[in-house]
Amino acid sequence: DSGVTQTPKHLITATGQRVTLRCSPRSGDLSVYWYQQSLDQGLQFLIQYYNGEERAKGNILERFSAQQFPDLHSELNLSSLELGDSALYFCASNTGTVLDYGYTFGSGTRLTVV
Amino acid sequence: LAKTTQPISMDSYEGQEVNITCSHNNIATNDYITWYQQFPSQGPRFIIQGYKTKVTNEVASLFIPADRKSSTLSLPRVSLSDTAVYYCLVGEVSGGNMLTFGGGTRLMVKP
Repeated sequence: DSGVTQTPKHLITATGQRVTLRCSPRSGDLSVYWYQQSLDQGLQFLIQYYNGEERAKGNILERFSAQQFPDLHSELNLSSLELGDSALYFCASNTGTVLDYGYTFGSGTRLTVV
Repeated sequence: LAKTTQPISMDSYEGQEVNITCSHNNIATNDYITWYQQFPSQGPRFIIQGYKTKVTNEVASLFIPADRKSSTLSLPRVSLSDTAVYYCLVGEVSGGNMLTFGGGTRLMVKP
């Protein structure tokens, strides 16, 4: 157990639907990062939050959105799902401070869009 | 961020030492070199980080030449459980920055 909890572990849904992925960071970590990993794209950075505020944005589609709540857990919302959105979605966390390079990843949510 | 180049795949046998080299010709002065390991269907896991010369921990060693344009991750006496993808990342040390992953090296350890 890495300390980063992601739920659900597996999700199967139909095209056009909307899903929410949840991430609870490791205790004490303020920064949360979301990554998408598909077979042909590798690990792609989506978005980062630090203490409730968006800090960096990567190749995140407009159909996707995220937020970090006061208790520091984060949710990634995926809407109007397409077959190509099928992937593993990872959340990582760290303290977000300059010298903390210890990113801890969760075990991921496997999303299958049918 | 400095671009990295590493072999797409490598094969090895149990008990052998494995060396994975990563090229990063455009590494900047403030950049550190970090290696992550990823097993199938699991999130990446930090292995080792270094700036120059040699770094060793309980899992691996990292060799960085003086010009820092490349680095070598060394895994001593690999076992089947070391079969994974290994990523070399180069960037400024900052806990506030996202990690940028390249394609990684797929290591297959055979019995």
